[in-house]
Amino acid sequence: DAGVIQSPRHEVTEMGQEVTLRCKPISGHDYLFWYRQTMMRGLELLIYFNNNVPIDDSGMPEDRFSAKMPNASFSTLKIQPSEPRDSAVYFCASSGSSGANVLTFGAGSRLTVL
Amino acid sequence: AQTVTQSQPEMSVQEAETVTLSCTYDTSESDYYLFWYKQPPSRQMILVIRQEAYKQQNATENRFSVNFQKAAKSFSLKISDSQLGDAAMYFCAVKNNNDMRFGAGTRLTVKP
Repeated sequence: DAGVIQSPRHEVTEMGQEVTLRCKPISGHDYLFWYRQTMMRGLELLIYFNNNVPIDDSGMPEDRFSAKMPNASFSTLKIQPSEPRDSAVYFCASSGSSGANVLTFGAGSRLTVL
Repeated sequence: AQTVTQSQPEMSVQEAETVTLSCTYDTSESDYYLFWYKQPPSRQMILVIRQEAYKQQNATENRFSVNFQKAAKSFSLKISDSQLGDAAMYFCAVKNNNDMRFGAGTRLTVKP
């Protein structure tokens, strides 16, 4: 298995632009997580899905952020409009359905908003 | 939601020596799981070790072991025979009902 695949690895954009980050979870995993990592706030859970359904989005910072999972093999995190404070590394992770299952992380997408 | 505290922002260890990284957590649940992840400069999050809260026996993975004190809600990581490749950020995490929360991390430096 290729693991969790995220794209793009790096994104530089200007304030006000729309940003879309993509994730392909490990086949067979039915949980998908989006995390944001910054120096100030560490790793924050933004949202997670179970069987493509959003379960907890309480970590989503504001309405500019949205996440979708149209099928079991694809998820997107969208920021519209982007702001400089959104600059961070965004991680996608997936796991199986047992609570003991480990989260497997993607390589992350580093977003820079100028 | 559960919270995780790592009180040591930075630690250093001499190569081949032993180091212990601290972690405390707070959760109202009785059924949960604890993890240590390593993040090298490549930024990839790598699982180091996992502990089930219902197990009293401390988990061990080669040079890595934990000291799990459930009553004290403490979950420290011991790295024995430290190697240069162990240098990284280490994150403690608590998982309950598929909700995983991380501590702020400890940056480990290994001195040759």
